Amino acid sequence: EIVLTQSPGTLSLSPGERATLSCRASQSVRSDYLAWYQQKPGQAPRLLIYGASSRPTGIPDRFSGSGSGTDFTLIISRLEPEDFAVYYCQQYGRSPETFGQGTKVEIK
Amino acid sequence: EVQLVESGGGLVQPGGSLRLSCAASGFTFSNYWMTWVRQAPGKGLEWVANTNQDGSEVNYVDSVKGRFTISRDNAKDSLYLQMNSLRADDTAVYFCARKGGGLRWGQGTLVTVSS
Repeated sequence: EIVLTQSPGTLSLSPGERATLSCRASQSVRSDYLAWYQQKPGQAPRLLIYGASSRPTGIPDRFSGSGSGTDFTLIISRLEPEDFAVYYCQQYGRSPETFGQGTKVEIK
Repeated sequence: EVQLVESGGGLVQPGGSLRLSCAASGFTFSNYWMTWVRQAPGKGLEWVANTNQDGSEVNYVDSVKGRFTISRDNAKDSLYLQMNSLRADDTAVYFCARKGGGLRWGQGTLVTVSS
């Protein structure tokens, strides 16, 4: 099983600041099958990034993903009020597919 | 637009059974792998199971193997999760999701296992 470790656990930032979230895998993620999701309280997760760096239609370009192998990063270039939420990474290249434990981005 | 609507959740006693359903619309259901993910109260996301386009390949997380069965009916655009021998630690919101360049999610259905 591929274990994903996200850091930091909590990120305290102000609107307009840049957020950098990390996701480290215990083994190489096949073909960069790495996704990022945003979840707000009481809501389902929303897909932000797939294939490590691709954005689905409708996701703002302030969200960007990068990385390969075992180290991946999600950057939110300028935090908007609606971006304060919990973010999860997921590898979907090998079964069992696994999620990181999440990073909470909170208002400072 | 992808729409996934889960149903079938509720309160069940330990050792009991429950069958979850997920009705899909807005895409060609038979073209996609489908997945169940759960989230215990106040906890993170846990991948539970998935199945390929025709249901001939299924995968499970170790904690549900032998107790849960994922299946699909492409004629009805529906995904199912049969859950047997339920335990308290199965209590969670269960999400249905379409796999294809990441997951697209339904809103979830709550399963509570308690006496």
